[in-house]
Amino acid sequence: QQQVKQSPQSLIVQKGGISIINCAYENTAFDYFPWYQQFPGKGPALLIAIRPDVSEKKEGRFTISFNKSAKQFSLHIMDSQPGDSATYFCAASLINSGSARQLTFGSGTQLTVLP
Amino acid sequence: EAQVTQNPRYLITVTGKKLTVTCSQNMNHEYMSWYRQDPGLGLRQIYYSMNVEVTDKGDVPEGYKVSRKEKRNFPLILESPSPNQTSLYFCASRGGMNTEAFFGQGTRLTVV
Repeated sequence: QQQVKQSPQSLIVQKGGISIINCAYENTAFDYFPWYQQFPGKGPALLIAIRPDVSEKKEGRFTISFNKSAKQFSLHIMDSQPGDSATYFCAASLINSGSARQLTFGSGTQLTVLP
Repeated sequence: EAQVTQNPRYLITVTGKKLTVTCSQNMNHEYMSWYRQDPGLGLRQIYYSMNVEVTDKGDVPEGYKVSRKEKRNFPLILESPSPNQTSLYFCASRGGMNTEAFFGQGTRLTVV
């Protein structure tokens, strides 16, 4: 049972275009929603994150939009560049019954930005 | 340089031969965890540790063991590996409850 559903599985965008990746969750106990970027041969690295008390967070070309009532959030990459080509994972986090913060990941989106 | 170091990076082994993947962090982090990454499934947590001698199961713990005897090290042990444990494994550490998780570079394990 996948608690965080991510789409699309792969995405091809022209340089300068907008990349949009969507995620949806079920568990309302999630209280932190990070996005990770992973390049081939590397581990995931935190890109940007949001808490559910705000509807949008922007850092440079990267923006998270968050819709609490719909239990959906998305990553927008403006002016996409070939260097953005990577796998992107959304995640949702909560504090579990053992008082530990636990991350649940989406299935990942492989983004290719064409030059 | 702050980092999480995993060894080995690549490993091919045979079914049933015990193996250990090591993980070490130099950030004095309390929290450490292991994930496996499989196509179409994202990263799934295997085990996590909140501090020395404190470990707990994640979402997919079957077939794995861990130990946390020292704060900096969190090895993943496969007592009797099977082909369905062929995967890409990541170790991660975090300094506190609400801080960023840092990931190692991964260990690609193939069990034949």
